[in-house]
Amino acid sequence: DTAVSQTPKYLVTQMGNDKSIKCEQNLGHDTMYWYKQDSKKFLKIMFSYNNKELIINETVPNRFSPKSPDKAHLNLHINSLELGDSAVYFCASSQGGAETQYFGPGTRLLVL
Amino acid sequence: DAKTTQPPSMDCAEGRAANLPCNHSTISGNEYVYWYRQIHSQGPQYIIHGLKNNETNEMASLIITEDRKSSTLILPHATLRDTAVYYCIVRPMRGGADGLTFGKGTHLIIQP
Repeated sequence: DTAVSQTPKYLVTQMGNDKSIKCEQNLGHDTMYWYKQDSKKFLKIMFSYNNKELIINETVPNRFSPKSPDKAHLNLHINSLELGDSAVYFCASSQGGAETQYFGPGTRLLVL
Repeated sequence: DAKTTQPPSMDCAEGRAANLPCNHSTISGNEYVYWYRQIHSQGPQYIIHGLKNNETNEMASLIITEDRKSSTLILPHATLRDTAVYYCIVRPMRGGADGLTFGKGTHLIIQP
């Protein structure tokens, strides 16, 4: 069974559209994350979330919003997509904020 | 901002030990050294972590200098599948859920 899964694996869409990426973890972890890896391969944290707090990287536009229906899921919703949003988005989870993180396979987003 | 310095790339012959260095001269007493790797087109994968003692698991060994200002990740018998970008990350023992700070890492290429 996949520990951290993401859907879809690939997402191609037009500028201005709204899209969501889903993430699920079956590890029983209490903390989940979203990372963005741009074309230069830099990995940057976007959000971290547990049942107590949401920590937002201040550089993330407010068009991006995480939504957590339950502890096992943290979805990423993106409004008004822009060309610069094209990247690979990784979800991760951990038990507690400082513990080892387990990453999903990534969602490759291409905005045309 | 990453608090570590790594060489941008390294080569290693298949079957040999791969030794990846990392400098973290500003590490605090409550910070662990973590190593992750990212194989092409996959999500980052946890390898090992340590505080001040040397550590070994089924994937690798971690050697931390006595002053804790640098460390070396050792892959004892590198295979072609170990070709990846390796990230050295320092992280508080009980930090908040603020995600991992990835630097540029070392691109390790295993040569046949």
